[in-house]
Amino acid sequence: GENVEQHPSTLSVQEGDSAVIKCTYSDSASNYFPWYKQELGKRPQLIIDIRSNVGEKKDQRIAVTLNKTAKHFSLHITETQPEDSAVYFCAASGGQAGTALIFGKGTTLSVSS
Amino acid sequence: DGGITQSPKYLFRKEGQNVTLSCEQNLNHDAMYWYRQDPGQGLRLIYYSQIVNDFQKGDIAEGYSVSREKKESFPLTVTSAQKNPTAFYLCASSIEKGASPLHFGNGTRLTVT
Repeated sequence: GENVEQHPSTLSVQEGDSAVIKCTYSDSASNYFPWYKQELGKRPQLIIDIRSNVGEKKDQRIAVTLNKTAKHFSLHITETQPEDSAVYFCAASGGQAGTALIFGKGTTLSVSS
Repeated sequence: DGGITQSPKYLFRKEGQNVTLSCEQNLNHDAMYWYRQDPGQGLRLIYYSQIVNDFQKGDIAEGYSVSREKKESFPLTVTSAQKNPTAFYLCASSIEKGASPLHFGNGTRLTVT
């Protein structure tokens, strides 16, 4: 089955800096890669996703890149703000029909002002 | 919230007792999922269902059971066979199986003593 590795587990940046979180996956047939943000005590919320037919996707300060050959994808947050502080999860699925999303272990991002 | 209702928010049980967590959705989604969240472990898949009266085991199904008698409902029973049941449980749904965004409920925090 699918296995997703996520790094780093914690990340501390200064406000205004960029943050990058990286994930690798094992199933070369996986074709859907979402990123979720979870604030303390709240449910995970989808912030951006990418499919295997696209190499990069951007939404304002957030971007995701996908390298299918290397089986890794990354989340890039530019101009970080204190409200970006949260736990971020990557996930992968779609390797086989009907498979569910498999998540990485999460990255705790802290943005200090 | 967001079309997926989990109840109760907090649940306390004595060791050796079975307990059922409720999950209801009004999004008309075909697929529903249960994840368990522990600190530093990310979201781990327990069970998922793509259609009524059908469900599949996830990575950590031992000690859990589910049913899918209605499209809207996907209850999770934590049995006495689950060795470490204390955790945060998240229910989710998606329009289609696999490669589509998950919508999460607010979760149920189960404490077993």
